[in-house]
Amino acid sequence: GAVVSQHPSWVICKSGTSVKIECRSLDFQATTMFWYRQFPKQSLMLMATSNEGSKATYEQGVEKDKFLINHASLTLSTLTVTSAHPEDSSFYICSAFLPGTGISSYNSPLHFGNGTRLTVT
Amino acid sequence: QKEVEQDPGPLSVPEGAIVSLNCTYSNSAFQYFMWYRQYSRKGPELLMYTYSSGNKEDGRFTAQVDKSSKYISLFIRDSQPSDSATYLCAMKAAGNKLTFGGGTRVLVKP
Repeated sequence: GAVVSQHPSWVICKSGTSVKIECRSLDFQATTMFWYRQFPKQSLMLMATSNEGSKATYEQGVEKDKFLINHASLTLSTLTVTSAHPEDSSFYICSAFLPGTGISSYNSPLHFGNGTRLTVT
Repeated sequence: QKEVEQDPGPLSVPEGAIVSLNCTYSNSAFQYFMWYRQYSRKGPELLMYTYSSGNKEDGRFTAQVDKSSKYISLFIRDSQPSDSATYLCAMKAAGNKLTFGGGTRVLVKP
C-alpha cells in the first residue's frame, strides 16, 4: 500500500492566490522529504529537499520565496505555492525514503505520493 | 549529453509479449538503480530496486544491471494491458540525489 500520502490530488486556483500542498509519511518518520515537479510528458525535476526542523534546500533555479517549504514534523512536509501564476500550473509530487529498505536510509529507494495537479487560472 | 538516457517510446507490444526497457548512463559513481511505473496523473510507483550487477527478479519483473557497460534493463513477462504506463529508470551515487531517465511510454494492446 501507499507509504506517502499527498493532498489535495488536484486544485484549481486563481492567479495571485496561494496554494498549500501537504505530504505525509504513513506509519514511518521521514526526516527528509523531496518535492518534485513534472510537466506533461516530461520526467521529474527535483525542486527542493525538505528537512525536518531546518530550512529546505532548493535546487538551482527554484525560487525559494515562491515555493515555501515547511517540514514541521517527522511525518508532514508542506509546499506552498505563493502568488501563483499560470506558469506554475504543473504536477507536484513529494517523496520520502522508507527506512530499512536499503543499505542506509539515504540510499534507500524513494517512495512517491500520488501527486497534486495544480491549475492556475 | 544527459547523465541518464532512456528511449521515450512509445513502445507498443501485444498482450502476453515481453516488454524490454533499458537505460544507459554515463556517471560511473551510480550505485543504486530503480525502476518506477507511472500511470497518467499519478505518482511514480517503485517496481524494482537493486544495487549490484546482475539480475533481480520479482514476479513478472526482472531488473538487470551491467555496471561495466553502464546499462540497466527492465523486462516485463506476460505483459498485460494494465502494464500500459510510463516506466522511469532512476539511479544515484551513494548519498546523492536521484537522477531520472526521461521515461519510456509503454502500450500493451489486448
